[in-house]
Amino acid sequence: GEDVEQSLFLSVREGDSSVINCTYTDSSSTYLYWYKQEPGAGLQLLTYIFSNMDMKQDQRLTVLLNKKDKHLSLRIADTQTGDSAIYFCAESAISSGSARQLTFGSGTQLTVLP
Amino acid sequence: ETGVTQSPTHLIKTRGQQVTLRCSSQSGHNTVSWYQQALGQGPQFIFQYYREEENGRGNFPPRFSGLQFPNYSSELNVNALELDDSALYLCASSLDRGASGYTFGSGTRLTVV
Repeated sequence: GEDVEQSLFLSVREGDSSVINCTYTDSSSTYLYWYKQEPGAGLQLLTYIFSNMDMKQDQRLTVLLNKKDKHLSLRIADTQTGDSAIYFCAESAISSGSARQLTFGSGTQLTVLP
Repeated sequence: ETGVTQSPTHLIKTRGQQVTLRCSSQSGHNTVSWYQQALGQGPQFIFQYYREEENGRGNFPPRFSGLQFPNYSSELNVNALELDDSALYLCASSLDRGASGYTFGSGTRLTVV
């Protein structure tokens, strides 16, 4: 079955880079996503990467994908206090029926220290 | 273009009761998925509706059921509520069963006492 794992906590200083790591198990995943969740809020899509890509850059965000090791990372450059939130990695795969469901990790709590 | 809206935002129910949660999908989206997010965990897939039919289901019992309407809005119904049903329920809309990504609502926080 599918399983997505992330480290639970990460603390960085304001202005430093943050790297959040994720491993997944379903080799049939076609898209991998990073979502951000602030307290009391829903999920905000940050970025995604197609499974045949190695890297994707979007302003301060860089996603790296190592398909052989099933490892995904999210790098946030020049981390700001507003980046403090929980970050979820998710893989997209066909589930029962023809639904394309997301399988999420448990989330990484990023704390940005002034 | 409106996003995904969910109602109510918060709800308290007693064990054994029934609850209905509502979701309006983003304009142009024909697919709605429901997720349950327990405290401190990632969201878990409940089921998906595509063109008014259930299109896939996660590992949830039959007392979790849903509907999708012709305007693609959706309801999640939970019967015989249990304490462990306390969670944030998230609705996500997408086009064509999720092929092009998902937009999430802010969720309904359900507390069962």
